[in-house]
Amino acid sequence: KAGVTQTPRYLIKTRGQQVTLSCSPISGHRSVSWYQQTPGQGLQFLFEYFSETQRNKGNFPGRFSGRQFSNSRSEMNVSTLELGDSALYLCASSSRGAGVYEQYFGPGTRLTVT
Amino acid sequence: QQQVKQSPQSLIVQKGGISIINCAYENTAFDYFPWYQQFPGKGPALLIAIRPDVSEKKEGRFTISFNKSAKQFSLHIMDSQPGDSATYFCAASRGSGYSTLTFGKGTMLLVSP
Repeated sequence: KAGVTQTPRYLIKTRGQQVTLSCSPISGHRSVSWYQQTPGQGLQFLFEYFSETQRNKGNFPGRFSGRQFSNSRSEMNVSTLELGDSALYLCASSSRGAGVYEQYFGPGTRLTVT
Repeated sequence: QQQVKQSPQSLIVQKGGISIINCAYENTAFDYFPWYQQFPGKGPALLIAIRPDVSEKKEGRFTISFNKSAKQFSLHIMDSQPGDSATYFCAASRGSGYSTLTFGKGTMLLVSP
């Protein structure tokens, strides 16, 4: 099976702009979670989508949003970018069946805000 | 509030030695404890995971030890190899159907030849 894919891999944006990141989960996986990774804060949970519905949300401002499509692909959007949004954004997919917890991560999108 | 505390921050081990990384958690609702390995420029890769109904799980050179009463778990890498040099993260999640992982801050492991 192909792994989790994320596009683009690298992105440079200017403060105040907005950005959209894309994630394609492993075939058959219906749950997609997003995480932000920074040297200072480590890996932090942003949100999780399952069957096109947001099921959980982390402690991030409303500038961070996401959605999931009927084919389980997911996008996250960050509006009004700030310098502190520079990070590696990771997408993870899981089959989220009963008793299944394994999450598999993609390579991430490296966002740099200047 | 840091719910999963990981130590040490960095570790240097000689080739063939044992690498040990420790984690402690606070939330007793956590019931799934995975370890991830991350190489530079890559996403975290699931290495091994344990549920609280067992005290130890071994997969090849990697072993998780779990102490429910102490709320601690650790990763042991036996016969450490230079290719094991990476950052290791412990994590925890709670409850059936919850996919949210709470991560430790990570341990940078360097295995010297």
